[in-house]
Amino acid sequence: DAKTTQPPSMDCAEGRAANLPCNHSTISGNEYVYWYRQIHSQGPQYIIHGLKNNETNEMASLIITEDRKSSTLILPHATLRDTAVYYCIVRSGGGAGSYQLTFGKGTKLSVIP
Amino acid sequence: NAGVMQNPRHLVRRRGQEARLRCSPMKGHSHVYWYRQLPEEGLKFMVYLQKENIIDESGMPKERFSAEFPKEGPSILRIQQVVRGDSAAYFCASSPRVVDSYEQYFGPGTRLTVT
Repeated sequence: DAKTTQPPSMDCAEGRAANLPCNHSTISGNEYVYWYRQIHSQGPQYIIHGLKNNETNEMASLIITEDRKSSTLILPHATLRDTAVYYCIVRSGGGAGSYQLTFGKGTKLSVIP
Repeated sequence: NAGVMQNPRHLVRRRGQEARLRCSPMKGHSHVYWYRQLPEEGLKFMVYLQKENIIDESGMPKERFSAEFPKEGPSILRIQQVVRGDSAAYFCASSPRVVDSYEQYFGPGTRLTVT
C-alpha cells in the first residue's frame, strides 16, 4: 500500500471548517483513500473514502486532486467533539494484503473554543 | 443496528496467565480483523478472519497468540502466558465484504493490563 504523509498536528477554531491535508504521491490506480479518526483511545471511527471523485457524507467531504497524489478531508463546521487524531490511509481494492489498514501517526486535530 | 462489540472492556492479568478477548461483529458482517495499539503508538494489524478460517495472520506474533472465528459465536483472540509487553489496547473490526471498497467498523477495544 502507498505511504501517506500528514502534518502531526493542527488547530481549528470551533465552528470553522477544518481542512486536513494528506499526501500520497505513490498511490496506484486501484488504491482508495480512507479517512478514520480516533477520539482519545476509543476505537477508530470510519469517516469517508474515495477513489478519484470527490465525496461527501454527513460527517465530512473528501477532496482528491486530479493526479490523486494528495487529498483533503474537510469537516465543514468543527465542534469540540471533533478533537481527535485523524488518519489518512491508502489501501487497494482487493486481494492479498489489502485487508489490513495501515495506520500512520495521523494528524492530531485540536478544536479550540 | 448494534455496532461491533468487544468484551471485556478492561482485563487485568498477571504475568503467565492467559487472556481471552472476544469480539462480536456487526450484524451481517462475516469478516473480522484484530488490531493492537501499544501505548503511545498507532494501531497495528494482527489478523483477518472469516467464519472458521484465518485468511491473513501476517501481523500476529509467532508465539503465544492465536485467533479464531467459529461458525457460531464471537471471534476470540487468545494470548497465552502473557508478558508485560502484551499490555495494550486490542481493537476488533468487521466488514460486510472484502472486494472493491469497503469500510471496516471498529469496536471500543479491550484494554489489557499485565501486572
